[in-house]
Amino acid sequence: QVQLVESGGGVVHPGRSLRLSCAASGFTFSDYAVHWVRQAPGKGLEWVSLTSSDGTSKYYTDSVKDRFTISRDNSKNTLYLQMNSLRPDDTAVYYCARGHGDYHYDAFDVWGQGTMVTVSS
Amino acid sequence: DIQMTQSPSSVSASVGDRLTITCRASHSISAFLAWYQQKPGKAPKLLIYPASNLQSGVPSRFSGSGSGTDFTLTISSLQPEDFATYYCQQGHSFPRTFGPGTKVEIK
Repeated sequence: QVQLVESGGGVVHPGRSLRLSCAASGFTFSDYAVHWVRQAPGKGLEWVSLTSSDGTSKYYTDSVKDRFTISRDNSKNTLYLQMNSLRPDDTAVYYCARGHGDYHYDAFDVWGQGTMVTVSS
Repeated sequence: DIQMTQSPSSVSASVGDRLTITCRASHSISAFLAWYQQKPGKAPKLLIYPASNLQSGVPSRFSGSGSGTDFTLTISSLQPEDFATYYCQQGHSFPRTFGPGTKVEIK
């Protein structure tokens, strides 16, 4: 079945780095844009980043620009999020989500189960 | 950035009630508006995108309408499994933005 599975979350000190992964299965990964969306504990949803299907176009929310890098390996059906200079306000469940439609105007039709990232000293 | 607002922020309703949630965008987003349902501890589920297009497998008691800046999600007859938090999201421009959510609770 169509599935996204995140991994790589954990507890990390402020200023440190973490890399999240998202493994896709059940669909042709290279045909789809994919996103990262996060949700702080007890809060709403916040879009983080997008990569287009071929990885050439990338977008970020302002609060993570120059700290986070999205990438993908279509040969491995895997999406990544390299998170550097982590801050306590990056604490959240991080979801990967598949783009629905043209990535310029899309929504998120398949979601992973999420991976928790906690930034704390 | 496009700001999204929702009303109400929470509502108590009974099984069988008709419920309408409103979402407003700070700028016109045409029909590039999605609705999601999220239950505690679970990932969101896409219900409608764009504005009035029901996703496959979503019950027909859900419907969406609107364009430009004003949108609504209607549940025609609330069922026990519909008690959840609902979010709108604009797909018109980057950064993608979500509304703050509407929590639907059992009366």
